Amino acid sequence: AIQMTQSPSSLSASVGDRVTITCRASQGIRNDLGWYQQNPGKAPKLLIYSASSLQSGVPSRFSGSGSGTDFTLTISSLQPEDFATYYCLQDYNYPLTFGQGTKVEIK
Amino acid sequence: EVQLVESGGGLVQPGGSLRLSCAASGFTFSSYAMSWVRQAPGEGLEWVSAISSSGGVTYYADSVKGRFTISRDNSKNTLYLQVNSLRAEDTAVYYCARERWLQSTPDYWGQGTLVTVSS
Repeated sequence: AIQMTQSPSSLSASVGDRVTITCRASQGIRNDLGWYQQNPGKAPKLLIYSASSLQSGVPSRFSGSGSGTDFTLTISSLQPEDFATYYCLQDYNYPLTFGQGTKVEIK
Repeated sequence: EVQLVESGGGLVQPGGSLRLSCAASGFTFSSYAMSWVRQAPGEGLEWVSAISSSGGVTYYADSVKGRFTISRDNSKNTLYLQVNSLRAEDTAVYYCARERWLQSTPDYWGQGTLVTVSS
């Protein structure tokens, strides 16, 4: 199975900050990567698919980049509703595998 | 509006079984592959199983292979997960999710159903 290594596991940031989360795949996965946001007690929400495509309805402050093995999720200006946990997911092949998650907390 | 509603979770003893269901609406169910993803309390997300749009192809995580069976009834717009030989480590919220058209990225998710395995 492809291993997804996500970092950092947590970070503290302020409203308005630029935030970057990275994900590294154990082998090349083309651009078959998604990013999700999850709030406590809620289902995950798809933010980005195909590494850099913004899901409909998601604010443009979210962006994704990368291909092959290294990927990045960037929030350009952190808003109060963005404090949540973020996961990457490779959908290059089955079994699908998630990163361990990054909890974004208020500084 | 896409809606996915899971049901069938509950408290079960180790070694027991349950059948989880996911009722879909708001899209052409028979055209989309579907997945189950779970999340143990306080832990991250774990993909469990997927099924093709026709039901003819299925995939499983190694941790559940041989114990869980995914299926679907396209006439009823319903996805199922039969979970057998349950263990304490299967305790989790189980989400069903629709996979994006011609991709495997889950895009819409249900609210989840909690399975607790305990004596």
